[in-house]
Amino acid sequence: AQTVTQSQPEMSVQEAETVTLSCTYDTSESDYYLFWYKQPPSRQMILVIRQEAYKQQNATENRFSVNFQKAAKSFSLKISDSQLGDAAMYFCAYRGAGNNRKLIWGLGTSLAVNP
Amino acid sequence: DAMVIQNPRYQVTQFGKPVTLSCSQTLNHNVMYWYQQKSSQAPKLLFHYYDKDFNNEADTPDNFQSRRPNTSFCFLDIRSPGLGDAAMYLCATSSSGTSGGAGELFFGEGSRLTVL
Repeated sequence: AQTVTQSQPEMSVQEAETVTLSCTYDTSESDYYLFWYKQPPSRQMILVIRQEAYKQQNATENRFSVNFQKAAKSFSLKISDSQLGDAAMYFCAYRGAGNNRKLIWGLGTSLAVNP
Repeated sequence: DAMVIQNPRYQVTQFGKPVTLSCSQTLNHNVMYWYQQKSSQAPKLLFHYYDKDFNNEADTPDNFQSRRPNTSFCFLDIRSPGLGDAAMYLCATSSSGTSGGAGELFFGEGSRLTVL
């Protein structure tokens, strides 16, 4: 069975600085998708970034980028130029390809941004 | 804007009094999910619909039921809420992963259930 591990329950970063959230996963599948979701306090869960396993290039979305290491089964999220609005719970999630429609979630990392 | 709408945002019920939460979507996605999320925890999948095909998680209590009368709407019925059912309930949608694509989830804002 697939698992997703986020080893950092809580992290903090100074405004304007860079922070990296870690995520590792375990799977025997060769084709899959990885996601980072953001859930601000009392607000909607939104997709931050996604990575297709077959793509070697790391995904980037503005200030958010990932370091995808397929062999190491690692999928970290880097937030550059952190802003107060980045404070949230961040969840890493895995989905197998094909008919598998369910996400496997990590436990989340709570990110605080200090002014 | 296309979106996922959940109602009500806040629901207070008494122990054992049935409650229904609703979810509607304008994304025309064929997959809809119901998650339960307790404070600072990851969402826990209760069930999902692939079109009209209902898929129940093995550990979802019988107390929880769902209906999907059409593509746009999905309901979560909690027949006899207990104190342990107090949580945020999240509805999400995705396009089918079978046709390719990541099938990422789009979430509503959630319905927070309080059980007195």
